[in-house]
Amino acid sequence: DAGVTQSPTHLIKTRGQQVTLRCSPKSGHDTVSWYQQALGQGPQFIFQYYEEEERQRGNFPDRFSGHQFPNYSSELNVNALLLGDSALYLCASSRYRPGRRTDTQYFGPGTRLTVL
Amino acid sequence: AQSVSQHNHHVILSEAASLELGCNYSYGGTVNLFWYVQYPGQHLQLLLKYFSGDPLVKGIKGFEAEFIKSKFSFNLRKPSVQWSDTAEYFCAVMRFLASGGSYIPTFGRGTSLIVHP
Repeated sequence: DAGVTQSPTHLIKTRGQQVTLRCSPKSGHDTVSWYQQALGQGPQFIFQYYEEEERQRGNFPDRFSGHQFPNYSSELNVNALLLGDSALYLCASSRYRPGRRTDTQYFGPGTRLTVL
Repeated sequence: AQSVSQHNHHVILSEAASLELGCNYSYGGTVNLFWYVQYPGQHLQLLLKYFSGDPLVKGIKGFEAEFIKSKFSFNLRKPSVQWSDTAEYFCAVMRFLASGGSYIPTFGRGTSLIVHP
């Protein structure tokens, strides 16, 4: 049973460029969340996708966008890259549970993005 | 805005010492609480979680945490640490949004634990 996978592992871009990161959820999971983890900090929630729609969003600008495909995999796109976008980008998957409860999120290894 | 505070940023212990890592959050509504661990070179893994019921929860590798609602705290404990517990520990709070029927997650900034053999 494969866990959450992310690609690429590392990426180097320059300011102003655009980047796409990819995530495949754990088998049986239908919800994907994206996080940004700066050095020495905890993960910060970017957004969550379920049923191919963005369901929740954290305090990130519109330069950060995403997509979820019918097979539940997901992409994170960042436009007009800034130096401050350099971070580890984490994907987490879970199963959607309606009502007042959330399921456990399982994290991937992350993509290390460096913006020069 | 909701915040999650981990007061101990760096903790250094000797093997067999007892561990307690603090976690406090600021949101008063329905929450689910988690502790994650990140071992060197590995990705985030779930240690334990609290949804409801018994406020004392037990996780993997001998860890436990106690939810004290009146103090908005969810402290992590282990009676006797091992060298292999050296890792980064993150507290996470999932805040329930009634309007959307979903949860917004907030992580603390993490505590780096070093255990000397």
